[in-house]
Parts: sequence; structure tokens; C-alpha cells
Amino acid sequence: DAKTTQPPSMDCAEGRAANLPCNHSTISGNEYVYWYRQIHSQGPQYIIHGLKNNETNEMASLIITEDRKSSTLILPHATLRDTAVYYCIALNSGGYQKVTFGTGTKLQVIP
Amino acid sequence: EAEVAQSPRYKITEKSQAVAFWCDPISGHATLYWYRQILGQGPELLVQFQDESVVDDSQLPKDRFSAERLKGVDSTLKIQPAELGDSAMYLCASSPRWYQETQYFGPGTRLLVL
Repeated sequence: DAKTTQPPSMDCAEGRAANLPCNHSTISGNEYVYWYRQIHSQGPQYIIHGLKNNETNEMASLIITEDRKSSTLILPHATLRDTAVYYCIALNSGGYQKVTFGTGTKLQVIP
Repeated sequence: EAEVAQSPRYKITEKSQAVAFWCDPISGHATLYWYRQILGQGPELLVQFQDESVVDDSQLPKDRFSAERLKGVDSTLKIQPAELGDSAMYLCASSPRWYQETQYFGPGTRLLVL
């Protein structure tokens, strides 16, 4: 299973786009990239996932490089409520694989 | 919107005592997960159930921890005896099927062992 690497912390001004990077250079062809976030003292919340193509939903956009070795989660207009720890995870599309969260990126949205 | 329920939300106990946490997954979800999260770290999987069967409990300290999901619906995680190092957030999650899908997390139970 691919290991992911994320910066420990980032700041973003309120109203601006937050771009959170994730490196997964050993990702295999059948591994999806998942993003979760955890607001202080709450359970993690699913954000988005993708395999090859860029994905967008009501929460965020996911940009995956063509070689799939890295990805970027984009929060287009960050608000104070987006302050959280963001986790990037690589998971197989089938077959059992233990989910490993790592330590994620602490995003601080600044007023 | 359906949610994963957990109780209690907070628990304070003394070391050597027994504690139990309960989780009710989203209705119809076959897979249930228990995680432990120490402050400043990401969640660590303790045990995963597919219906009533254990799929993975390799990280569960079996000398003191036990988990069950008798009817394949709700689940209980028990610690006996509790130790100081067990102080953490215990998270439950569920997903529709056994292979990797989006996991939906409950609010967690924060345990403090004195």
C-alpha cells in the first residue's frame, strides 16, 4: 500500500483558495486517493476521492497529476470552519487493506 | 442524514477499572471499524468487522481489549483493565461493504484514565 507524505501545517487567508498537497510516489494503479478532514474534537469527515481524473464535489476539488505521484486538494474559498487536520490516504479499489491515516496537514484559516 | 452513533461521548475512569464503548453504525452498513486516536496523531485502526466477523484485529491489544458485533449491527469495545496509556479518543466508523469505500465516522468517545 502506498505511503503518503503531507506537510505538517499550512495557513490560508479566509476567502482564498486553500491548496493542500500530498505526495504518493509509490501509488499503484488500482489505488485511489482519498481525502478526509478532522475538525477539532470531532470524528474524521470524508471529503473526496479519485483514481486518475480530477474530481469536484460541493466541498472541494481533487487534482491528481498525470503520473499519479502527487495530488492537491483545493478548497476554493476557505472559511474559518475549514480549519482542521486534512488526511490524504491511498487505498486499493478491491481487496482488504488496512487504512492508515498518518498525521495529516493542520490547516489554519486566518481571518 | 444517517449518522454513526457512539456513546458515551466522554468517559473518565481510574486505572484497572473496566470501560465499554458502544457504536451503532449507519443502517445497512456491513463494515464497522474501531479506531484509537492519541492526541496529535492520526486515527489507528484497532479492529474491523465485516458483518459479525472480525476481518482485522492485528492492532488490538488482546490482553486487555475486546470487541464484538454479535448480530452484525451495533458493536461494543471493552477495555479491562484500563491503563493510563489508554487515554485517547475512540472512534467508530462504518462503510457499506467490506472493500474500501468511504468510511463514515461517529463523534468519538474521549477516554481519560486517571
